[in-house]
Amino acid sequence: AQSVTQPDIHITVSEGASLELRCNYSYGATPYLFWYVQSPGQGLQLLLKYFSGDTLVQGIKGFEAEFKRSQSSFNLRKPSVHWSDAAEYFCAGADSNYQLIWGAGTKLIIKP
Amino acid sequence: GAGVSQTPSNKVTEKGKYVELRCDPISGHTALYWYRQSLGQGPEFLIYFQGTGAADDSGLPNDRFFAVRPEGSVSTLKIQRTERGDSAVYLCASSLNHGRQETQYFGPGTRLLVL
Repeated sequence: AQSVTQPDIHITVSEGASLELRCNYSYGATPYLFWYVQSPGQGLQLLLKYFSGDTLVQGIKGFEAEFKRSQSSFNLRKPSVHWSDAAEYFCAGADSNYQLIWGAGTKLIIKP
Repeated sequence: GAGVSQTPSNKVTEKGKYVELRCDPISGHTALYWYRQSLGQGPEFLIYFQGTGAADDSGLPNDRFFAVRPEGSVSTLKIQRTERGDSAVYLCASSLNHGRQETQYFGPGTRLLVL
């Protein structure tokens, strides 16, 4: 069955440090993958998406993600986090019925 | 432009009561989705509409849950005989069309608490 796994329930990073959030997928064919961010009281906002082509995808707010087929991963990165990046981050993939299948999320905590 | 809106933002009800949750999608979006998000979980797909018809309702947990989109715009999620286990945040999203490459735009959600 198709699935998306986010191994880290929460991650704590110092402000200004680099960030990497992990996402692993299980899909038979080329997956369509997404990263969304959810801030308290806000709707889920799309950060970036991967369909095909260049495996390094640039998104909004300085985020990027790299698709690695050999590792079945689509990790989200940011070179330097800001306190406003504290939120919950969700990785999702589109299945054969075009429905989004979601990871359980990773909560990002920023230390001052 | 206006995003997806959902009303109410919070709803507290008693076990056994009936509730309706409303979603106003982005104007012109033909596809509309309902998800349920429990604490510490990612969203769980419930149903999606393409236009007025429910194209896939395979995620509805049981027949107490029902959704409509009579004019192809606003949608209402209806829950009968609510149970404490129905407590969750109900999310609505819309996209221009339905497809793997389409971006879904989410509303802020309705937080439902069943006492």
